[in-house]
Amino acid sequence: GENVEQHPSTLSVQEGDSAVIKCTYSDSASNYFPWYKQELGKGPQLIIDIRSNVGEKKDQRIAVTLNKTAKHFSLHITETQPEDSAVYFCAASRDGGGTGFQKLVFGTGTRLLVSP
Amino acid sequence: EAGVAQSPRYKIIEKRQSVAFWCNPISGHATLYWYQQILGQGPKLLIQFQNNGVVDDSQLPKDRFSAERLKGVDSTLKIQPAKLEDSAVYLCASSLEGFGNQPQHFGDGTRLSIL
Repeated sequence: GENVEQHPSTLSVQEGDSAVIKCTYSDSASNYFPWYKQELGKGPQLIIDIRSNVGEKKDQRIAVTLNKTAKHFSLHITETQPEDSAVYFCAASRDGGGTGFQKLVFGTGTRLLVSP
Repeated sequence: EAGVAQSPRYKIIEKRQSVAFWCNPISGHATLYWYQQILGQGPKLLIQFQNNGVVDDSQLPKDRFSAERLKGVDSTLKIQPAKLEDSAVYLCASSLEGFGNQPQHFGDGTRLSIL
């Protein structure tokens, strides 16, 4: 089955700096890669996603890149703000194989701390 | 649009007791998921429903966990009897469909503590 590894486990930056979180996946058939932000006591919130037919996607200060050959994808946050502090999870899935249904496999999370 | 609703938010029980969690997905979402999130880890899928049918329960410990989605809307997840290792946050998510890699939207979860 799919295995997703995520690094680093913790990341501390100063406000205004950029932050990069990296993930690798094992299943070459995976074709959907969402990123979630989880604040304390809350459920994961989808912040951006990318599909395998695209190499990069941006949404304001957030961007995700995908390298299918190397089987890794990254989250880039520019001009970080204290409210970006949270745990970020990457995930990967494919269109469910024989069942046709997708199955998301999550990384272990990165705790991002943005200091003022 | 209203998000995924879950209750209760917190539950504390003793081992060997039973517990149930409730989830109401986003209106119109055909697919509902239950995840277990142990402290310091990412969510792990327990069971997936398409309307009121189960499409994946391969990681559900069926000797103690059960789930249902009788009318294709709300769902309940039950644990009986609970073990210490069941302490976790139980997250419910929903998506428009379960195929085509539709985005999944999560509720805030139920935090379960087993004493």
